[in-house]
Amino acid sequence: QQQVKQSPQSLIVQKGGISIINCAYENTAFDYFPWYQQFPGKGPALLIAIRPDVSEKKEGRFTISFNKSAKQFSLHIMDSQPGDSATYFCAASGRFSGSARQLTFGSGTQLTVLP
Amino acid sequence: DGGITQSPKYLFRKEGQNVTLSCEQNLNHDAMYWYRQDPGQGLRLIYYSQIVNDFQKGDIAEGYSVSREKKESFPLTVTSAQKNPTAFYLCASSSGDSRDYGYTFGSGTRLTVV
Repeated sequence: QQQVKQSPQSLIVQKGGISIINCAYENTAFDYFPWYQQFPGKGPALLIAIRPDVSEKKEGRFTISFNKSAKQFSLHIMDSQPGDSATYFCAASGRFSGSARQLTFGSGTQLTVLP
Repeated sequence: DGGITQSPKYLFRKEGQNVTLSCEQNLNHDAMYWYRQDPGQGLRLIYYSQIVNDFQKGDIAEGYSVSREKKESFPLTVTSAQKNPTAFYLCASSSGDSRDYGYTFGSGTRLTVV
């Protein structure tokens, strides 16, 4: 019930296109949903995050869409660039009985943006 | 600048050897975490610590050990009991502040068995 399911596993997009990565969760105790970007050989870096009281958050070319009733959230990368080629992880954080708050990560999506 | 420093960047281990990976943070974060990442795979939690002198096993703790004697430091020892230690190891920290539940990650240590 604390799992976060991420899809697709890999994604290839043409330069200028829209990249969309989806995540789904089951447990409604999750209340914080960040996305991380990881370049090869580097640690993940926080890209953007959303809380369930809003349905959308935009930062530059990156937008999180959040559907509370469907328990789904997605990352949209507009005008995708070759420099966006990286692995993207969704995550969710919540406070569960008997345990400390921590992030549950999705399995990751390897994005390749073709020039 | 505040951040997390992992060292070394690359580490080679001989069969039967214990090695220790360093993780230091100057963010004044209470919580620290160790993750393992295999090629093309996600992040698997090894150990985490919410406070000094306390730590908990994650999903894949067997063959690993940690200590948390100082708030700033959370070293990971890969013991000889870990049969397949070749992987990319990531350390992270978080403040647990309600304004930001996210993690800050280090740049990782790549461990290879030779």
